[in-house]
Amino acid sequence: GAVVSQHPSWVICKSGTSVKIECRSLDFQATTMFWYRQFPKQSLMLMATSNEGSKATYEQGVEKDKFLINHASLTLSTLTVTSAHPEDSSFYICSGSGTSISYEQYFGPGTRLTVT
Amino acid sequence: SQQGEEDPQALSIQEGENATMNCSYKTSINNLQWYRQNSGRGLVHLILIRSNEREKHSGRLRVTLDTSKKSSSLLITASRAADTASYFCATEPPGRRALTFGSGTRLQVQP
Repeated sequence: GAVVSQHPSWVICKSGTSVKIECRSLDFQATTMFWYRQFPKQSLMLMATSNEGSKATYEQGVEKDKFLINHASLTLSTLTVTSAHPEDSSFYICSGSGTSISYEQYFGPGTRLTVT
Repeated sequence: SQQGEEDPQALSIQEGENATMNCSYKTSINNLQWYRQNSGRGLVHLILIRSNEREKHSGRLRVTLDTSKKSSSLLITASRAADTASYFCATEPPGRRALTFGSGTRLQVQP
C-alpha cells in the first residue's frame, strides 16, 4: 500500500507556543488529506478534511483559527496548533487519499503532542 | 461525532482462542472497514466490506455486515499474542469522504 509519513513523531511544547505537524504522502499524490485527533484510550475523531489548493473543511466544534491546516501541494499537508494548551495534548493522525474512491485512505504513524 | 459503538470495550483471551468484536453504526453507509492500532501507533487497514456484501474473509479474519441492524462483527480465529491491539470499525457514509470511527475494542491475547 501507499505510505504516509508524519513529522515529528512526538513533540513536547510549552503552553502558549505553536506547533507544526507535517504529513507527507511518499509515493502517491494525495489530493485529499484528513486530520484526526485521538485522546488516550479513545477513538479517532475527524478534525478536518483538506483538498490540495483549497481551504480545509473543519468538523463541528473544531476551531479553524486554532488548528491551521495547509495543503499546498499534492504530497504535503501541515497542521499547526496555535497557542497550544495542555488540553490540546493528544495523538494527531493524518491520512491521505489519492483517488476518488474515498475508502482508499492511507494513514500516517501519528504525532504525539504534549503541552506542558 | 463517533458513528457508533463497539463492544466489548475490552477483551482478554488466551492464545489460540477466537476473538469476536462487534460494531454498531447509526447512518446508512457505502462500506465498513476494520482497522488495527498497536498502542501509540498508527492505523493498519485490515479489511473492507461493502454495503451489498454480508460476509468477507481474509486469512484469519472474518467480517460480517448486517445493514438491516446497522451492525458488523470482526472474528479473529486462532488468536496469537501478536494480535494484541485495539481494533476499530470505520464507516463511510454516502456523500462523505471522511471515515467515522467506532469507539474501539482493546484486545489482549495472553500467551
